[in-house]
Amino acid sequence: GAVVSQHPSWVICKSGTSVKIECRSLDFQATTMFWYRQFPKQSLMLMATSNEGSKATYEQGVEKDKFLINHASLTLSTLTVTSAHPEDSSFYICSATRTSAEYEQYFGPGTRLTVT
Amino acid sequence: KQEVTQIPAALSVPEGENLVLNCSFTDSAIYNLQWFRQDPGKGLTSLLLIQSSQREQTSGRLNASLDKSSGRSTLYIAASQPGDSATYLCATGTYKYIFGTGTRLKVLA
Repeated sequence: GAVVSQHPSWVICKSGTSVKIECRSLDFQATTMFWYRQFPKQSLMLMATSNEGSKATYEQGVEKDKFLINHASLTLSTLTVTSAHPEDSSFYICSATRTSAEYEQYFGPGTRLTVT
Repeated sequence: KQEVTQIPAALSVPEGENLVLNCSFTDSAIYNLQWFRQDPGKGLTSLLLIQSSQREQTSGRLNASLDKSSGRSTLYIAASQPGDSATYLCATGTYKYIFGTGTRLKVLA
C-alpha cells in the first residue's frame, strides 16, 4: 500500500509555455502533499506543501505565481510550471502523507522536465 | 531552521566491506528520520524510517540508528555489494522534510 504516481514521467516543452504535472495517491487518501525539485547532482529541495482544499504553502524563494499548485482532492495534487524557462529544467518529485497523525512521506517516481 | 548534512559526500569501497553513512541535523525537534536510496536518474526508494521515539530500525543488511539529542543518525550497510551503489539520502523534520546533502556510494566488484 501507499503508492504515489506521477504523470508524466518526463516532458519536454518550449520556453514560454506552461506544463502541468500530476501527483496521485493510488491507494490512500493524502491529507498533505509535498512538491520537491532536484537539480543535477544536488539533493531534493522542498518547494511547497499543500493540503486538500487549501492554498499551498511555499518555501522561501519559490515563486508562487510561477509554480501553481492545486490540491483539488484527497488523491490528486497538480503542479503547473508557468512560462517555463530553461532554468526550470529539473526533476520534480511529489510525496504524500496518509493521515494527519502519520508523518512518513510516500514518494512518487518523479517527473523530469526539460525546457528548450 | 533545520539543516541536514551527510558525511562523507562520496565513498568508494571494495565489495564485502561493512560501511557507515552519517547524517547530522541541527534541530532535534523531529517527528521521524527516513533513509532513501536514489539510483541515477531515478526516484527515491525508501529504506528505513525511524520514528522519533525509536533508537534504531533494521531491514536485511541495513541498520539505521537515531540519536536525537546529538542530532545524528547512521546507516550501517553490512557486507556491501555492487548493487548497493547509489546515492543515499536522509531526510528529517516535523510535518515536512528537509533532505540531507547525500552520500554517493560506489561498491567495487
